[in-house]
Amino acid sequence: DIQMTQSPSSLSASVGDRVTITCRASQGISNYLAWYQQKPGTVPKLLIYAASTLQSGVPSRFSGSGSGSDFTLTISSLQPEDVATYYCQKYDSALATFGQGTKVEIK
Amino acid sequence: EVQVVESGGGLVKPGGSLRLSCAASGFTFSRYTMNWVRQAPGEGLEWVSSITSSSGYIDYANSVKGRFTISRDNAKNSVYLQMNSLRAEDTAVYYCARLMTTVTNWGAFDIWGQGTVVTVS
Repeated sequence: DIQMTQSPSSLSASVGDRVTITCRASQGISNYLAWYQQKPGTVPKLLIYAASTLQSGVPSRFSGSGSGSDFTLTISSLQPEDVATYYCQKYDSALATFGQGTKVEIK
Repeated sequence: EVQVVESGGGLVKPGGSLRLSCAASGFTFSRYTMNWVRQAPGEGLEWVSSITSSSGYIDYANSVKGRFTISRDNAKNSVYLQMNSLRAEDTAVYYCARLMTTVTNWGAFDIWGQGTVVTVS
């Protein structure tokens, strides 16, 4: 089975900072990758699919890139409301594996 | 409003069974692949199972294969998860989630329910 590994597992940054989260697949998955945001006590929310396509309604400070086995989620200017855990998910097959999550906090 | 609502969670002893339900509304349920995803306390997301629109393709995570059964009733706009031989490690919030596309059987999950809590103890 393909494994998804995120880094870092947590980070602390200041408001306005550029934040980058990395997701690596153990095998190539083309661009079959999604990113989700889960704020404390809430349901996961789809941010990005097909590695770089922003879901409707998601702020433009979020962006995704990558293909094959290496992917990144970037928050161009961190806002207080972005405090959350972020998950990548591969969906190149029915086994829709998630990464272990990256917790983002405000410094 | 497009939504899915889970029910059926609760407290069950190890080795017991539970049936979760997910009721969909606001979209043409019969066209979409549906999924179950779980999240153990303080842990990350784990995909559990998926079922295509006509139930023609079903799959499970290795951790639940042989113990859980997914099914759906398109006439009732509902998907189910029958959970047997439950273990302590099955304790989690169970989410029902819709595949965002009707074109393929695989994709991102765009609609999530609020979840139902299953405790095995």
